[in-house]
Amino acid sequence: NAGVMQNPRHLVRRRGQEARLRCSPMKGHSHVYWYRQLPEEGLKFMVYLQKENIIDESGMPKERFSAEFPKEGPSILRIQQVVRGDSAAYFCASSRDSPEAFFGQGTRLTVV
Amino acid sequence: AQKITQTQPGMFVQEKEAVTLDCTYDTSDQSYGLFWYKQPSSGEMIFLIYQGSYDEQNATEGRYSLNFQKARKSANLVISASQLGDSAMYFCAMRDESFSGGYNKLIFGAGTRLAVHP
Repeated sequence: NAGVMQNPRHLVRRRGQEARLRCSPMKGHSHVYWYRQLPEEGLKFMVYLQKENIIDESGMPKERFSAEFPKEGPSILRIQQVVRGDSAAYFCASSRDSPEAFFGQGTRLTVV
Repeated sequence: AQKITQTQPGMFVQEKEAVTLDCTYDTSDQSYGLFWYKQPSSGEMIFLIYQGSYDEQNATEGRYSLNFQKARKSANLVISASQLGDSAMYFCAMRDESFSGGYNKLIFGAGTRLAVHP
């Protein structure tokens, strides 16, 4: 049973480009969460999605960031017109209707 | 609002000794869950242990135990018989469990970096 799969593991973008981060939840998991970890800090909640629905986006920056979890395929976190401050590790977690959430290995975004 | 505080930026311990990593929390919720995660230098987040607010006994998982003191709002992680492989960042986290189903929005502390010395 494969775990939560995130790709790419490392992503380098120039300022102004778009970054697309993908997350495939564990089999049977219908809940997806995205977190951001700035250097030397803890993880910060960004958004919680179920299939085709955004449930809680209280941690998402108001501009340039969007997330989706379509009926088919992985969840996508999209960052438009990236800036240096977007450099961070982005983690995805998934769960069933149960307390335990499983994390992916993260995508390290570097904006140059 | 919920908040997690980890006051120890760094800790070190001798191999085979026990170490306690501190975590205090603040919440007005009656039902909540407390978690500890390990993040080694490779970067992944590894679940260690979970304690529900209504659990009467402290959680244990192998060499990990959670010293839960509800009145003091603390949830310290105790690692017994430290190993070199325990060197990592450790994060305490909390979840509001008043929601049903899989609502797993976690609030994380800033972390404690543990170094195990031979």
